[in-house]
Amino acid sequence: SQTIHQWPATLVQPVGSPLSLECTVEGTSNPNLYWYRQAAGRGLQLLFYSVGIGQISSEVPQNLSASRPQDRQFILSSKKLLLSDSGFYLCAWSVPWQGGDYGYTFGSGTRLTVV
Amino acid sequence: QQQVKQSPQSLIVQKGGIPIINCAYENTAFDYFPWYQQFPGKGPALLIAIRPDVSEKKEGRFTISFNKSAKQFSLHIMDSQPGDSATYFCAAGIQGAQKLVFGQGTRLTINP
Repeated sequence: SQTIHQWPATLVQPVGSPLSLECTVEGTSNPNLYWYRQAAGRGLQLLFYSVGIGQISSEVPQNLSASRPQDRQFILSSKKLLLSDSGFYLCAWSVPWQGGDYGYTFGSGTRLTVV
Repeated sequence: QQQVKQSPQSLIVQKGGIPIINCAYENTAFDYFPWYQQFPGKGPALLIAIRPDVSEKKEGRFTISFNKSAKQFSLHIMDSQPGDSATYFCAAGIQGAQKLVFGQGTRLTINP
C-alpha cells in the first residue's frame, strides 16, 4: 500500500536559520509530488509541485525552494527563514488520473514556527 | 478562471443538523470535484468526490450535490455528529492535469 512520510512533525527555528523538510512516498512509482503551506485558520497554498526527478514548478515566489533528488523524495528548503515562513507545511502525492476516484494523499504535516 | 470559491468560512450546527458547504467555479474544463476533510494538526484526507455526469453522490452521511449549469457543487452532512467537526475543503481538477484547485476551506463545528 502507498504511504507518505513527512518529518519532522514540529519545528521551531530562529529567524535567519536554514530549513530542510523532507517527504518520502512508498508503494508507488513516478508520483506527482506537492508542497503546500497552510497558515493558521487559512486555506491551502500550493508552493511547489513536481512531476519527475529534478522537475520543479514554483507557484509562489518566496523565500523557499524545493528539490526532488529521487523519484519518491521531495525536499523543501530555505537558506534563511523569515517570520512569515511560519505555518503548517504539507506534502502530498498523486498519480496521473486514469478514472475512478482521484485525489491527493497528504502527509501528516510539519508545524514550523519561526521565532 | 482557476479559482474555486467556497462558503461559508465557518459554520456552527447543532448535533443532528445538516450543515451545507457550497463551492462555485468558473472554469468549465473542470471535470472532477473532490472534497477533503481535515482534523486539527492533521493533513487533509479525501472524503468524497463527484464527476459532472451525475448530479448527486452519497457515501454514508455525506452527500455531494452538483449543478453543472450553475457551476456549483455542495457538501451536505446528514445527522451531523460532534466528530464531524473539522475543516472541509472543496477542490476541482481536470483529468490529466497535474494539480487540483482548492477552495479556501470551511471550519465546521458540530455542537453536542
